[in-house]
Amino acid sequence: SQKIEQNSEALNIQEGKTATLTCNYTNYSPAYLQWYRQDPGRGPVFLLLIRENEKEKRKERLKVTFDTTLKQSLFHITASQPADSATYLCALEGTGGFKTIFGAGTRLFVKA
Amino acid sequence: GAVVSQHPSWVICKSGTSVKIECRSLDFQATTMFWYRQFPKQSLMLMATSNEGSKATYEQGVEKDKFLINHASLTLSTLTVTSAHPEDSSFYICSARGDRDEAFFGQGTRLTVV
Repeated sequence: SQKIEQNSEALNIQEGKTATLTCNYTNYSPAYLQWYRQDPGRGPVFLLLIRENEKEKRKERLKVTFDTTLKQSLFHITASQPADSATYLCALEGTGGFKTIFGAGTRLFVKA
Repeated sequence: GAVVSQHPSWVICKSGTSVKIECRSLDFQATTMFWYRQFPKQSLMLMATSNEGSKATYEQGVEKDKFLINHASLTLSTLTVTSAHPEDSSFYICSARGDRDEAFFGQGTRLTVV
């Protein structure tokens, strides 16, 4: 069955460091992948979208990579700040009948 | 980014009553809207997909007579939880997609059935 995995353990890092979050998937043929930020009790906020033919995408302090051979996406936040503390979700959007699936998210804590 | 407004943000209702949740795309036309349910510390579970002017497509295991979805215009979709029971208490979130690939989410609605 289709499966998308994000590290269920919270990630704790020091302010100023780079946070790296991982999204792995199996049995899925994605057309593109999206990363979202979700704060407690709120809906997800769109951050970045990367397509299957793109290796890397950047937006300000954010960088996403997409390796369809490894079936993995990495999400980086450089120069992290306490305000970056949130849950980050990855979502796969497929073709050929594959529906959007979301990971459970990784909780990020950035300490001042 | 595009704005999707969901209302109400929270609601408490008595068991057996119905609750309507609205989802509006404020600055773009949403040809497709999605309704999700999310339990604490779990991923979003897609309930149904709706296209403007047509019937919603429900995911397996979602009762279409209990969760009524209407997508009457390109900017508004509603989810009505009929005859709500405590087990329907959850966080409901809508998202909308226009002519771009990105999907934008509403703020979510916390439903508590007592």
